[in-house]
Amino acid sequence: DIVMTQTPLSLSVTPGQPASISCKSSQSLLHSDGKTYLYWYLQKPGQSPQLLIYEVSNRFSGVPDRFSGSGSGTDFTLKISRVEAEDVGVYYCMQSIQLPHTFGQGTKLEIK
Amino acid sequence: EVQLVETGGGLIQPGGSLRLSCAASGFTVSSNYMSWVRQAPGKGLEWVSVIYSGGSTYYADSVKGRFTISRDNSKNTLYLQMNSLRAEDTAVYYCALRHGYWGQGTLVTVSS
Repeated sequence: DIVMTQTPLSLSVTPGQPASISCKSSQSLLHSDGKTYLYWYLQKPGQSPQLLIYEVSNRFSGVPDRFSGSGSGTDFTLKISRVEAEDVGVYYCMQSIQLPHTFGQGTKLEIK
Repeated sequence: EVQLVETGGGLIQPGGSLRLSCAASGFTVSSNYMSWVRQAPGKGLEWVSVIYSGGSTYYADSVKGRFTISRDNSKNTLYLQMNSLRAEDTAVYYCALRHGYWGQGTLVTVSS
């Protein structure tokens, strides 16, 4: 199975400041079709996970442009340019290049 | 508008069976790949199973041989038949359309 490793596991951010989460996979997520199957989710308290970013850097419908994704191969990053109070929750990366699909451990973001 | 509504969760004794349903609207279940993902209390996300549009199905090793994913095209509904349930199957179970749309989840508690 592909292991997804997120760092940090928690972070506390002042509103208006940037935040960054790293996700590393144990194998390359680059498929022969040219796409890289790396996703980012946010699970707000008491809610279902919501997709933020698909295929490394594409924002899902309705996702604010303060969220951005980057990376390639095995190293990926989610960045929030200016954290807002509504961004609190747990962030997960996930790979779907290989079954079983696997998630990172999650990164809990709180507001200072 | 895409909607996914899971039902069928509840309290069940070890060794028992449950069938979860995921009623879909706004799209056709049989034309898409659909997954089940679970989240144990206070834990991260764990992929459980997927069914592709062509009908192929795959399972996590932890549920293989005990769980069965299926769909009813006439009802536009996804199912997860869970047999031989164990305490470690206790979780909120989410259905998901591709990777972008998730239901609200249904709680399964396996306990005597």
